[in-house]
Amino acid sequence: NAGVMQNPRHLVRRRGQEARLRCSPMKGHSHVYWYRQLPEEGLKFMVYLQKENIIDESGMPKERFSAEFPKEGPSILRIQQVVRGDSAAYFCASSPPGTRQETQYFGPGTRLLVL
Amino acid sequence: AQKITQTQPGMFVQEKEAVTLDCTYDTSDQSYGLFWYKQPSSGEMIFLIYQGSYDEQNATEGRYSLNFQKARKSANLVISASQLGDSAMYFCAIASGNTGKLIFGQGTTLQVKP
Repeated sequence: NAGVMQNPRHLVRRRGQEARLRCSPMKGHSHVYWYRQLPEEGLKFMVYLQKENIIDESGMPKERFSAEFPKEGPSILRIQQVVRGDSAAYFCASSPPGTRQETQYFGPGTRLLVL
Repeated sequence: AQKITQTQPGMFVQEKEAVTLDCTYDTSDQSYGLFWYKQPSSGEMIFLIYQGSYDEQNATEGRYSLNFQKARKSANLVISASQLGDSAMYFCAIASGNTGKLIFGQGTTLQVKP
């Protein structure tokens, strides 16, 4: 039973390029959350999605960031025109359908470095 | 707004001894969930233990237990019989609002000494 999968594990981009981060939830999980962890800090919520729907994007920066979770395929977090301040670890977590307090299981994260 | 406070940036414990990591929270929700995660130096986030706000018993998972004091709004993690592999960063989190998004504390770095 595979866990949450994220790829790539490491991503290097130059300023102004686009970064695409992928997340495949655990089998049977229909809820996906994205979090960002800056160096030496805790994780900060970005966005919560269910299949084909963005439920809560209150933690997403207003510009350059977008997320989707299509009917088929992984969830994608897209960062356009990256800047150095976007360098961070981006974690995806998934949980099964149910109450809002279901345990979230995390992927290994994508470490984004912007040069 | 929900908030998690972890007041111990770093902790040391001798191998085989028990250690308590502190966590206090603030929420206006009547129903909520509290979680602890471990982040070793390799970087992944590992789920350890969950406590529901209506659970009357303190949660336990192997060597991990959660000392839940609802009136004091605290949810301390107790690790018994510490092992060298327990050296990691530990995060307390609360499931917030209608969406279940997690609000994390700043974390506590635990070092287990041989």
